[in-house]
Amino acid sequence: AQKVTQAQTEISVVEKEDVTLDCVYETRDTTYYLFWYKQPPSGELVFLIRRNSFDEQNEISGRYSWNFQKSTSSFNFTITASQVVDSAVYFCALSEWGTGGFKTIFGAGTRLFVKA
Amino acid sequence: DGGITQSPKYLFRKEGQNVTLSCEQNLNHDAMYWYRQDPGQGLRLIYYSQIVNDFQKGDIAEGYSVSREKKESFPLTVTSAQKNPTAFYLCASNRDSNSPLHFGNGTRLTVT
Repeated sequence: AQKVTQAQTEISVVEKEDVTLDCVYETRDTTYYLFWYKQPPSGELVFLIRRNSFDEQNEISGRYSWNFQKSTSSFNFTITASQVVDSAVYFCALSEWGTGGFKTIFGAGTRLFVKA
Repeated sequence: DGGITQSPKYLFRKEGQNVTLSCEQNLNHDAMYWYRQDPGQGLRLIYYSQIVNDFQKGDIAEGYSVSREKKESFPLTVTSAQKNPTAFYLCASNRDSNSPLHFGNGTRLTVT
């Protein structure tokens, strides 16, 4: 069963537009962790944010903001005033208890193109 | 500086040969992971290990094997049983369950 769904395969915006990347997750656990990672064209994955299941407070970091809603099992990511350097693949991930410990499952990713 | 080293960056093999991908970390992390990335499919978990001498199958373990004899090392062997081995392989580690993953730069394996 799909645990993390990122329905948007690709998004294309013009610089300075706001863009929201959707993430819906599925888990039976009460304790779990959610993450967003960025993969620029160079290939390395960069950690952006972490949320635990007991903390629904939204967070803002510069042009980035995250909206965590347990009622809809969503953890959406918004980039305000997008820039060309934001062009990358963005992954949402869920860490939950598996056999032998926590394991992290990734969504399929959303490729964001920001045009100048 | 601490980090995860994957080698080599590019690897080419003939069909039917086993190949081992190296992953070494000096972050003193207990947990290590192997993911496979294919276009449009995101990262899929192959194997993970929370502690030395113990490891668990992920979602796509068939055709792969691992070992965890040392805390720092988590090599992945792609066997000839893996039907479609050509992919980008990423190794990762974290300190504990609520910590973000640290990734290596990946190994791109091409099997012809």
